[in-house]
Amino acid sequence: EVQLLESGGNLIQPGESLRLSCAASGFTFSRHAMNWVRQAPGKGLEWVSSVSGSGGITFYADSVKGRFTVSRDNSKNTVYLQMSSLRVEDTAIYYCAKERALYDFRSALDVWGRGTTVTVSS
Amino acid sequence: QSVLTQPPSVSGAPGQRVTISCTGTSSNIGADYDVHWYQQLPGTAPKLLIYSNNQRPSGVPDRFSGSKSGASASLAISGLQSEDEANYYCATWTDSLNGYVFGTGTKVTVL
Repeated sequence: EVQLLESGGNLIQPGESLRLSCAASGFTFSRHAMNWVRQAPGKGLEWVSSVSGSGGITFYADSVKGRFTVSRDNSKNTVYLQMSSLRVEDTAIYYCAKERALYDFRSALDVWGRGTTVTVSS
Repeated sequence: QSVLTQPPSVSGAPGQRVTISCTGTSSNIGADYDVHWYQQLPGTAPKLLIYSNNQRPSGVPDRFSGSKSGASASLAISGLQSEDEANYYCATWTDSLNGYVFGTGTKVTVL
């Protein structure tokens, strides 16, 4: 069974840093790009970042560019989201999602984790 | 801020057909990028419903169908059922952001 399990969410203060992890199983991890998508309380979905299967190509939403860094460890089947200079508006559930097609972006997100909650508040 | 516009809500009686529109621009849907649709039941993670404009993943009932024309796309739900009550989001890739953009979301209510 294909599964994604996020972890690392927490209550933190503005300006602090946090690292999220997403452990994958049930598919050939290195062949699929991975994505982070977030959802603020009561709001819609917002794409945050994508990373290629090799980890060599990364993309970011303008709202997090320069503050967030996506990476992956294919030996551990895990993708990470390092978040720094966190703001109140970064408060959200953060979902990890698998790209549907091999070696591609844009093909749709066919498997999602349950999400991990990040709350930024003083 | 989303660049894909959806109606905030649609409703229908059980058994009826409802459609949800998704309006983009020439830099996303109109640039010939595929449109995908996601269903989010209350309190759960999103689920892929339609990919590449009109393709259903395995296990998705054929009551759900998608289409695309120009810079817009639509999701149709026929034979509406109570378990279809959820939020629905369209999404596509955009080169201007080098990333996905999601629609504003539509809440479907079964009367």
